[in-house]
Amino acid sequence: DIQMTQSPSTLSASVGDRVTITCRATQIINNWLAWYQQKPGKAPKLLIYKASTLESGVPSRFSGSGSGTEFTLTISSLQPDDFATYYCQQYNSYSTFGQGTKLEIK
Amino acid sequence: DVQLVESGGVLVKPGGSLRLSCAASGFTFNNAWMNWVRQAPGRGLEWVGRIKSKTDGGTTDYAAPVKGRFTISRDDSENTLFLQMNSLKTEDTAVYYCITNSRGLWYWGQGTLVTVSS
Repeated sequence: DIQMTQSPSTLSASVGDRVTITCRATQIINNWLAWYQQKPGKAPKLLIYKASTLESGVPSRFSGSGSGTEFTLTISSLQPDDFATYYCQQYNSYSTFGQGTKLEIK
Repeated sequence: DVQLVESGGVLVKPGGSLRLSCAASGFTFNNAWMNWVRQAPGRGLEWVGRIKSKTDGGTTDYAAPVKGRFTISRDDSENTLFLQMNSLKTEDTAVYYCITNSRGLWYWGQGTLVTVSS
């Protein structure tokens, strides 16, 4: 089974900061990776799919990159609405999620 | 628009059984591979299992914690996905989501809460 290691688990940042979240897979996943944002009591919201394709309607400050086993989600300039929990998901073989990154206001 | 609507979540005692449903619309359900994902209170997302389309064999796969206790099925005539949960444990308490990938995008329902407690 493919395991996903996401880091950091918690990230404290300020409005306007640039932040990066990383996911590492235990084997090559051929860019079958998605990123989600989740707020309390809500279903996850798709941000990025196929590692780097921005979902329609998602602000361009969000970007995804990487290949092979290492992937990153970058938010170029944090906005107040971005403070939430973020998850990666591999879907190369079945599906597995990272442990999540809680993005907090510093 | 793709819509997934889960139902059936309730409070159930340990050892009990429950069947969840997911009503689908806005895409060709009988061609879709459907998944269940759960999220325990305050925890992360956990893939539960999936069912392929009948044209791809209709087979099922499960995560280790639920294998042998949970069964995923589908009714393509009703565009509905099911999750039969038996021998429920307290650690099965979670919000259960049905999710699918359509044209490269992942779609999620709003989830249904299952509480396993005596």
